[in-house]
Amino acid sequence: QKEVEQDPGPLSVPEGAIVSLNCTYSNSAFQYFMWYRQYSRKGPELLMYTYSSGNKEDGRFTAQVDKSSKYISLFIRDSQPSDSATYLCAMRRSNAGNMLTFGGGTRLMVKP
Amino acid sequence: GAVVSQHPSWVICKSGTSVKIECRSLDFQATTMFWYRQFPKQSLMLMATSNEGSKATYEQGVEKDKFLINHASLTLSTLTVTSAHPEDSSFYICSAKLAGGGEQYFGPGTRLTVT
Repeated sequence: QKEVEQDPGPLSVPEGAIVSLNCTYSNSAFQYFMWYRQYSRKGPELLMYTYSSGNKEDGRFTAQVDKSSKYISLFIRDSQPSDSATYLCAMRRSNAGNMLTFGGGTRLMVKP
Repeated sequence: GAVVSQHPSWVICKSGTSVKIECRSLDFQATTMFWYRQFPKQSLMLMATSNEGSKATYEQGVEKDKFLINHASLTLSTLTVTSAHPEDSSFYICSAKLAGGGEQYFGPGTRLTVT
């Protein structure tokens, strides 16, 4: 079993929809949680960075962390075709140096 | 801010030759840089962690004599794929971590094709 599980998709939604992307993990030591967006043939772009449980909002993006359930989410409001990309969750243990553990990525397609 | 560049963005080389990929943090100092490879439709696989001025730490299964990493300054790390073979064809991505911070910022990636 992978440490971080993420549905690969693809997830197809109409423009303007609310998108929910999720990851589950097995290691309770993870404390730092990130969401990256990766366009085809490009490097990942950091979208959200959160520490421990709670919510964080940035524009149309909201990240949620529920450590009790070992579950993190990224919500995208008013989705746009330009949001079409692969979304990667990543997490890090506080005492494990700098190594990130990635989910497999979810491919999102927003149709106009 | 926090921009990471890679050069080249795309390289084709013949089997048996060596290829050097550069990773630069343009507007910040990075004490730690990371090298990943990514196969199509797969997630990133960490190859090695590079700390400025010291030897890189390689992940299990990554040949350190094949993938030479040098982190000579706080803004530059290089990955040299030696004696490249077609199975080394992949997308190589570096990231850099802000000194004292937790976030990693990724470069745009380098697509290597070995013929």
